[in-house]
Amino acid sequence: DIVMTQTPLSLSVTPGQPASISCKSSQSLLFSDGKTYLHWFLQKSGQPPQLLIYEVSSRFSGVPDRFSGSGSGTDFTLKISRVEAEDVGFYYCMQSRQPPWTFGQGTKVEIK
Amino acid sequence: EVHLVESGGGLVQPGGSLRLSCVASGFTFSSYWVNWVRQAPGKGLEWVALIKEDGSEKYYVDSVKGRFTISRDNAKNSLYLQMNSLRAEDTAVYYCARGRLQHWGQGTLVTVSS
Repeated sequence: DIVMTQTPLSLSVTPGQPASISCKSSQSLLFSDGKTYLHWFLQKSGQPPQLLIYEVSSRFSGVPDRFSGSGSGTDFTLKISRVEAEDVGFYYCMQSRQPPWTFGQGTKVEIK
Repeated sequence: EVHLVESGGGLVQPGGSLRLSCVASGFTFSSYWVNWVRQAPGKGLEWVALIKEDGSEKYYVDSVKGRFTISRDNAKNSLYLQMNSLRAEDTAVYYCARGRLQHWGQGTLVTVSS
């Protein structure tokens, strides 16, 4: 199975400041179709997760452009350019390169 | 608008069975693979199972293989998860989610306890 490792596990950010979360996979997430199947989700309190970024860097419909994703192979990053109060919650990376799909442990983002 | 509505959760004793359902609307259900993902209380997300569009391929996380069965009825726009030999560690909110998890339901809580 592909192991997903996120760092840090917790982040406290001043509103308006940037934030960054790292995600590393135990194997390359590049598939034979040329796509890299690494995605980012945000789960707010009491809600189901919501897709933010798919295939490393594509923002899902309605996601603000302060969220961006980058990386390749086994190393990936989610960046929030200017954190807002509504961005609090748990962030998860996930690979769908091969079953079983696997998530990172989650990163808790809170506002200072 | 895409909607996924889970049902069938509840309290069950260890060793018991439960069948979860997920009804989809707002899209052509038969054109998408669909998943079950779970979240134990206070814990992270765990992908459980996936079924392809026509049901021809199914995949499971190791911890549920041989105990859980994913199935679908495209005529009813419905996804199912038959859960047998339930254990305390299966206690979680179970979500159904479309495709590469672009859309999620609100989840249904399964509690395995005596």
